[in-house]
Amino acid sequence: NAGVTQTPKFQVLKTGQSMTLQCAQDMNHNSMYWYRQDPGMGLRLIYYSASEGTTDKGEVPNGYNVSRLNKREFSLRLESAAPSQTSVYFCASRGGGATNEKLFFGSGTQLSVL
Amino acid sequence: ILNVEQSPQSLHVQEGDSTNFTCSFPSSNFYALHWYRWETAKSPEALFVMTLNGDEKKKGRISATLNTKEGYSYLYIKGSQPEDSATYLCASSSWGKLQFGAGTQVVVTP
Repeated sequence: NAGVTQTPKFQVLKTGQSMTLQCAQDMNHNSMYWYRQDPGMGLRLIYYSASEGTTDKGEVPNGYNVSRLNKREFSLRLESAAPSQTSVYFCASRGGGATNEKLFFGSGTQLSVL
Repeated sequence: ILNVEQSPQSLHVQEGDSTNFTCSFPSSNFYALHWYRWETAKSPEALFVMTLNGDEKKKGRISATLNTKEGYSYLYIKGSQPEDSATYLCASSSWGKLQFGAGTQVVVTP
């Protein structure tokens, strides 16, 4: 029962470096999401993909890009990391994206940008 | 700017006591209200999803109510146990996106 799998779990970057966070789900879900979690801020939506082939900006998209590679995979890329991007990142998915469907979360990626 | 607000930010509860806390959200363009439980070092897990005004959901000792007209939801924990210690997140859903509140951290002490 893998559910939503995120890699890596931890990452340290230097300012200006790039990296891609990987997310895959095995529940045949249509919708996938990337959130960041910062103290006192709750979970803030970075990007989401309502279905394969579509992506949309969330609340805090600046500095990030996403790719919905196929139905299973949704990656988040930091092209030029900044200290402000130090955060915990969560990938999530849900079935058809209907408003009454719950989210399933990955285990998170703790990212530090020095 | 958080349109979804939770209060209090944290609370301490004695084992066996009951408690409740609030989530407020914009009542316009409302589709669903989600509650998630988030334990330290784990991922958030869904407790309830509610859509209709007056909805009440229950899972064991935890229950929730929804008032969509005035834009608030209450989460209740009856007879708190140490294993109920967690951060409880609510999220308001519209157009496929969920906006989360900052959470209420609950600490239950024996």
